[in-house]
Amino acid sequence: QKEVEQDPGPLSVPEGAIVSLNCTYSNSAFQYFMWYRQYSRKGPELLMYTYSSGNKEDGRFTAQVDKSSKYISLFIRDSQPSDSATYLCAMTTMNTGFQKLVFGTGTRLLVSP
Amino acid sequence: GAVVSQHPSWVICKSGTSVKIECRSLDFQATTMFWYRQFPKQSLMLMATSNEGSKATYEQGVEKDKFLINHASLTLSTLTVTSAHPEDSSFYICSARPDRPLFGNTIYFGEGSWLTVV
Repeated sequence: QKEVEQDPGPLSVPEGAIVSLNCTYSNSAFQYFMWYRQYSRKGPELLMYTYSSGNKEDGRFTAQVDKSSKYISLFIRDSQPSDSATYLCAMTTMNTGFQKLVFGTGTRLLVSP
Repeated sequence: GAVVSQHPSWVICKSGTSVKIECRSLDFQATTMFWYRQFPKQSLMLMATSNEGSKATYEQGVEKDKFLINHASLTLSTLTVTSAHPEDSSFYICSARPDRPLFGNTIYFGEGSWLTVV
């Protein structure tokens, strides 16, 4: 079993839709959770980061962490064609100084105009 | 935001030759940098942790003699793929964590380097 599971997609939605991206994990020591966006042939770009359980909102993006279920989500409101990319969840522990990231496989999102 | 620069962005080399990829943090110092590789449609896999002034720490299964890492300064780490073979063709990405956190414990990624070995 992988430490972090993420549906690879692709997930196709029309412009304006609400998108829900999810990851599950098995290591209860993970405390710091991140979402990265990666365009084709580019390096990952940090979108959101959260520490422990709860919600965090930034513009059209909301990150949610449920540690009891070992489940994290990223919601995108009013999705745009420019949001089409691969979204990677990543997480890390205090044991590694919050440095060693474990990534999900990424979910490919396609937003059609 | 903070910038991590990788060079070259893409490189094609002949089998058996060596290729060096540079990773620079442009506006912060980073004692620790990380090297990942990513195969098409797969996730990023950590190869090694690069430490300024000391030996890199390699993940299990990564050949340290094949993937040479040098972290000569607080803003530069290099990855050298020695005696490259076609199976080494991949997307190599570095990341760096600022020694003085800019925004929480954020880690910044480079744009990646595409290596094709022919």
